[in-house]
Amino acid sequence: QKEVEQNSGPLSVPEGAIASLNCTYSDRGSQSFFWYRQYSGKSPELIMFIYSNGDKEDGRFTAQLNKASQYVSLLIRDSQPSDSATYLCAVNAGGTSYGKLTFGQGTILTVHP
Amino acid sequence: AAGVIQSPRHLIKEKRETATLKCYPIPRHDTVYWYQQGPGQDPQFLISFYEKMQSDKGSIPDRFSAQQFSDYHSELNMSSLELGDSALYFCASSRGMGFGELFFGEGSRLTVL
Repeated sequence: QKEVEQNSGPLSVPEGAIASLNCTYSDRGSQSFFWYRQYSGKSPELIMFIYSNGDKEDGRFTAQLNKASQYVSLLIRDSQPSDSATYLCAVNAGGTSYGKLTFGQGTILTVHP
Repeated sequence: AAGVIQSPRHLIKEKRETATLKCYPIPRHDTVYWYQQGPGQDPQFLISFYEKMQSDKGSIPDRFSAQQFSDYHSELNMSSLELGDSALYFCASSRGMGFGELFFGEGSRLTVL
C-alpha cells in the first residue's frame, strides 16, 4: 500500500461545477498536508496547505482534513478550464523530516467548457 | 518575484556518463530539496540540505551525491548513469525547514540513452 493514495481519476467536471479530490495517508504521525497542482511537464505549484482538523478556505479552494480518518480533500468551486491539471496530495511526517514530502500518485482533473 | 532556478533545463547523456544539475534557490531561502519524477510517476524525495548541511535523505542512489554551497545553491551529481535515471529532477527551496511549503523550480529533464 502506498503511503499516500489518491483517487486515480481522471476526473472530468463541467465548467462552473465543484471538483472534489480525495487523499488518504497511512502514517498517523503525519503533521502537515499539502495540495500541489502540476501542469504537464511543469513543476508542482503549491495550492493549499492544512495542519489542523477541519476546513481551510482560500478563494475557490477548500482543503479539508480529518486526522482520525487519515483523510484530506480538496474542493475546487466554480471550476475553470485553467484548473485542468494533475493535483498532487503531499504529506509531511514532521519531526526532523520537514520538506521530505511523500506524494500521492496524482489525480488528473479535466474541466470541460 | 524570483523563483527557483535550475540548470540545465534539458540534458542528454549516454549510459555510464556523469551529469551535474544545478539549483539556485529563491533569495533568502536556506533549504534546498531534490526530487526525482519519472514518467507518469509522483515526485520522489532524494535529499535535502539546510544551511549547507544534509538535513534528510530519501531514495537517492549511491551513485548520486549532492551538496549545498556557501551561497546556498546546490548541485546534484549523478555518475554511472543508467537508463532508469531518465526523469525530471526538481529542486525546491524553502526558508528554514519549510514544513512542506516548498517552491519548486521548473525542473531539469535528464534523458539517458
